[in-house]
Amino acid sequence: GENVEQHPSTLSVQEGDSAVIKCTYSDSASNYFPWYKQELGKRPQLIIDIRSNVGEKKDQRIAVTLNKTAKHFSLHITETQPEDSAVYFCAASEGDSSYKLIFGSGTRLLVRP
Amino acid sequence: DVKVTQSSRYLVKRTGEKVFLECVQDMDHENMFWYRQDPGLGLRLIYFSYDVKMKEKGDIPEGYSVSREKKERFSLILESASTNQTSMYLCASSFIAGGEQFFGPGTRLTVL
Repeated sequence: GENVEQHPSTLSVQEGDSAVIKCTYSDSASNYFPWYKQELGKRPQLIIDIRSNVGEKKDQRIAVTLNKTAKHFSLHITETQPEDSAVYFCAASEGDSSYKLIFGSGTRLLVRP
Repeated sequence: DVKVTQSSRYLVKRTGEKVFLECVQDMDHENMFWYRQDPGLGLRLIYFSYDVKMKEKGDIPEGYSVSREKKERFSLILESASTNQTSMYLCASSFIAGGEQFFGPGTRLTVL
């Protein structure tokens, strides 16, 4: 089955710097790659997603890139702000038509003011 | 605005008790999921359902069962709770397979 690895497990950056979180997946048939943000004590919420027919997607300060050949995808946050501090999870669909998402282990991002 | 609600935010149970966790969504979503969240392990899928009365095992179904009698409600059952089932339990729903999942607020279960 699908396996998703996420790095780093913790990341500390200065406010205004960029942050990059990387994930690799094992199933070449995966075609949906969402990123969820979970603030302390709150539910995970989708912040951006990408499908396998697209190499990059941007939404304001957030971007996701996908390299299908290498089977990895990354989350890029520019001009980080203290409110970006949270745990971020990547996920990959299991196969190309599966209900299932396989999640990475999470990255705790701390943005220092 | 999608709303997914869970019956309890915090629950404390004794070893061997039968535990019911309830999840309700109000957006007529076909698919519902139960995850367990533990530090350093991410979200692990316990069971999911793609239709009323239909269920599929996820990655860690042992010790759990589910029930989906109505489209909007998905229940997770711990037949005989054990201390290693102490965890945060998250319910989610989605409109399409492989689409965005909307999460509930979670139930933090402690089994003593």
